[in-house]
Amino acid sequence: DSGVTQTPKHLITATGQRVTLRCSPRSGDLSVYWYQQSLDQGLQFLIQYYNGEERAKGNILERFSAQQFPDLHSELNLSSLELGDSALYFCASSLRDSRFYNEQFFGPGTRLTVL
Amino acid sequence: SQELEQSPQSLIVQEGKNLTINCTSSKTLYGLYWYKQKYGEGLIFLMMLQKGGEEKSHEKITAKLDEKKQQSSLHITASQPSHAGIYLCGADKNRGSTLGRLYFGRGTQLTVWP
Repeated sequence: DSGVTQTPKHLITATGQRVTLRCSPRSGDLSVYWYQQSLDQGLQFLIQYYNGEERAKGNILERFSAQQFPDLHSELNLSSLELGDSALYFCASSLRDSRFYNEQFFGPGTRLTVL
Repeated sequence: SQELEQSPQSLIVQEGKNLTINCTSSKTLYGLYWYKQKYGEGLIFLMMLQKGGEEKSHEKITAKLDEKKQQSSLHITASQPSHAGIYLCGADKNRGSTLGRLYFGRGTQLTVWP
């Protein structure tokens, strides 16, 4: 158990819908990262927050947005869902911000299925 | 584009055998991370390497970053069924103030049969 929690574990929805994925980082970790893992693209970095502020963006679609709240939990919002958005979404957390090398601890993931 | 090539893509070994998984980049690796993933589950952090020539071990798993920092290897000694899973290498996309944007290889699927 990494200490990172994600809810829900599974999510099945229809095209065009909007969903919210939730992540609670390890106790004491200030950075939160979101990744998407799919069969065709592999594991891809989406976005990073540190202590409530956006730090880095990766291959995140405009239909997707995220935020980190004062209690440090984070939410990833996916809207206008398409079939191709079906994937495993991982949240990871680390202690320090992006100026330092530090290991990221991954949550169990949320499996999103868009029908 | 920056890519990490992992080899082999899959590996089937008998319990007790040693094995090596490689991770190669066309560009300098500034931070190299090894993770293990059970199919459909989260990633388990194994090791982080930063310096050329650095080697780290944990139990029967050893990881090394070569001197030129363009290749890393993961070596498992006397493999056990518990070592089975997908091994992923990840690296920092940049250096400096924007670390943490990890990009990953496609993984090596390891099967250990008794």
